Amino acid sequence: DAGVTQSPTHLIKTRGQQVTLRCSPKSGHDTVSWYQQALGQGPQFIFQYYEEEERQRGNFPDRFSGHQFPNYSSELNVNALLLGDSALYLCASISGTSSYNEQFFGPGTRLTVL
Amino acid sequence: KNEVEQSPQNLTAQEGEFITINCSYSVGISALHWLQQHPGGGIVSLFMLSSGKKKHGRLIATINIQEKHSSLHITASHPRDSAVYICAVWAHTDKLIFGTGTRLQVFP
Repeated sequence: DAGVTQSPTHLIKTRGQQVTLRCSPKSGHDTVSWYQQALGQGPQFIFQYYEEEERQRGNFPDRFSGHQFPNYSSELNVNALLLGDSALYLCASISGTSSYNEQFFGPGTRLTVL
Repeated sequence: KNEVEQSPQNLTAQEGEFITINCSYSVGISALHWLQQHPGGGIVSLFMLSSGKKKHGRLIATINIQEKHSSLHITASHPRDSAVYICAVWAHTDKLIFGTGTRLQVFP
């Protein structure tokens, strides 16, 4: 049973470019959350997708957008990249939306913006 | 002030020592996670608890809902326990809020 997978593992972009990160949830999970983790900091919640809809959103600008596909996989898109967007982007999946269900995390995508 | 505070930020121990990491939070929660993050980034969930105490091998997690405090204990620490330990709470807003983590290094 594959856990949460993310691609790519590493990515280098320049300011102003756009990037798309991908996540496949753990088998049987239908909810995907995205987090940004700057160096030396704890992860920050970006948004959560359930039933192909954005269910919750953290304090991130509209440059951060996402999508969930019918197979529950998800994409995170970031437009007009800034140097401060350099971070580890983590995806986590859960079955349903209950906070009593355990989240499983992917290995992350490390984005560097030059 | 962060909604989830961890202490200490950094911790160094000798192999075999008993380790305690503390987490305090200021929001109402449904549950609390203890997570482990190794260099390279992958996060592993260690515990999810909403009351009392849980034990898994050498790891013990406790939570006191009234005092809004949780502790993670590691007995007989080992160099392979070296990692960042993160406390995260499921707030009643249905969002997961993370602490900044405790970096643990265990030396042989």
